[in-house]
Amino acid sequence: GNSVTQMEGPVTLSEEAFLTINCTYTATGYPSLFWYVQYPGEGLQLLLKATKADDKGSNKGFEATYRKETTSFHLEKGSVQVSDSAVYFCALSPDNYGQNFVFGPGTRLSVLP
Amino acid sequence: EAQVTQNPRYLITVTGKKLTVTCSQNMNHEYMSWYRQDPGLGLRQIYYSMNVEVTDKGDVPEGYKVSRKEKRNFPLILESPSPNQTSLYFCASSFIPSGLAGGTDTQYFGPGTRLTVL
Repeated sequence: GNSVTQMEGPVTLSEEAFLTINCTYTATGYPSLFWYVQYPGEGLQLLLKATKADDKGSNKGFEATYRKETTSFHLEKGSVQVSDSAVYFCALSPDNYGQNFVFGPGTRLSVLP
Repeated sequence: EAQVTQNPRYLITVTGKKLTVTCSQNMNHEYMSWYRQDPGLGLRQIYYSMNVEVTDKGDVPEGYKVSRKEKRNFPLILESPSPNQTSLYFCASSFIPSGLAGGTDTQYFGPGTRLTVL
């Protein structure tokens, strides 16, 4: 079946540090890939997405590239801020009818001033 | 404003007392889904619906019911809640892109309902 694996958290960084959160997936066909962010006390919000191989999604300084050869969609940001502290979820949407979104377990990021 | 709304946001109840959590979206999305979020377990899908009168089980459907009589609404029903259903619940909706064999587009989430069953 389809699955998403994320690096274990929590991740603690100092402000302005470089961030990488690894995400790999297992799926047949050509899924769409997503990163969602959940700020404390809120629901999930879409951060970025990519719908085909080699696409790069980007938003708010975050980037992730859809790598089909390594089945990965790692999230990166060059300089994190305290306001980036949140839980980040990698997810995929399969391209087969009747299959559903699959979320990774989430990675908690804490950015210290 | 495009949004997914859930009510109530917070609920404390007792074992066995039937409850309904409402979910409504104003984006004319075909697809709607319920998830529960528990510490260490991430998001788990309870039920989903591909359109009106079309519902199916997700990964953890036991103890829950849903209905989809209208496109905009997708209530979650707990007929006889138990303490192991204490959780944070999210409703989500999305389009089903035309031209694809299946799958869904970006999911939009409601603000969550925190349920405590005593």
